[in-house]
Amino acid sequence: ETGVTQSPTHLIKTRGQQVTLRCSSQSGHNTVSWYQQALGQGPQFIFQYYREEENGRGNFPPRFSGLQFPNYSSELNVNALELDDSALYLCASSSPQGAKVTEAFFGQGTRLTVV
Amino acid sequence: QQQVKQSPQSLIVQKGGISIINCAYENTAFDYFPWYQQFPGKGPALLIAIRPDVSEKKEGRFTISFNKSAKQFSLHIMDSQPGDSATYFCAASIVRQKVTFGTGTKLQVIP
Repeated sequence: ETGVTQSPTHLIKTRGQQVTLRCSSQSGHNTVSWYQQALGQGPQFIFQYYREEENGRGNFPPRFSGLQFPNYSSELNVNALELDDSALYLCASSSPQGAKVTEAFFGQGTRLTVV
Repeated sequence: QQQVKQSPQSLIVQKGGISIINCAYENTAFDYFPWYQQFPGKGPALLIAIRPDVSEKKEGRFTISFNKSAKQFSLHIMDSQPGDSATYFCAASIVRQKVTFGTGTKLQVIP
């Protein structure tokens, strides 16, 4: 098991609602990335946070937003939920240190169902 | 845009056999190629990884073969076991950040 923890593990929301997912990174890791994994697909990069600032974003609309806190934990917020947002949301933590970068360790994910 | 293509989509192998999964990439800026193993209900777990300056890397029963000129790489699982049954993702990244995943291969190892 990695030291990356996500909450909640499962969530059911209604279309149009807003949701907040949380991630605690592995100790010593200052970079958090979020991924969306639709059923039967590979994870898709949403965005990454490094030292509390967004550091790269994938092809996701602005209603997907995030935060990183001073303790490097992170939140993913999704507004105006759509049925297609139903997926497993994964958080990964790593720690770039100059030219040397640690591996990205994934949490177990949050299964979001939009009805 | 699918930057990492993976095949086959599913694979059934007899216990003790060799499982082979292939991937191809487009972006020559990728400098790190990990493979992840994912069990149902779990997040992906790093299995083995390779950099493009190496043509092969072996860890236990798992071997990555890398062909930089062809922009292809593959995972070989020797002596496949039922416990290896999982979904395998190849991936690529730049400086190990913003991992781009393949579409996954569901491996089933039958006794």
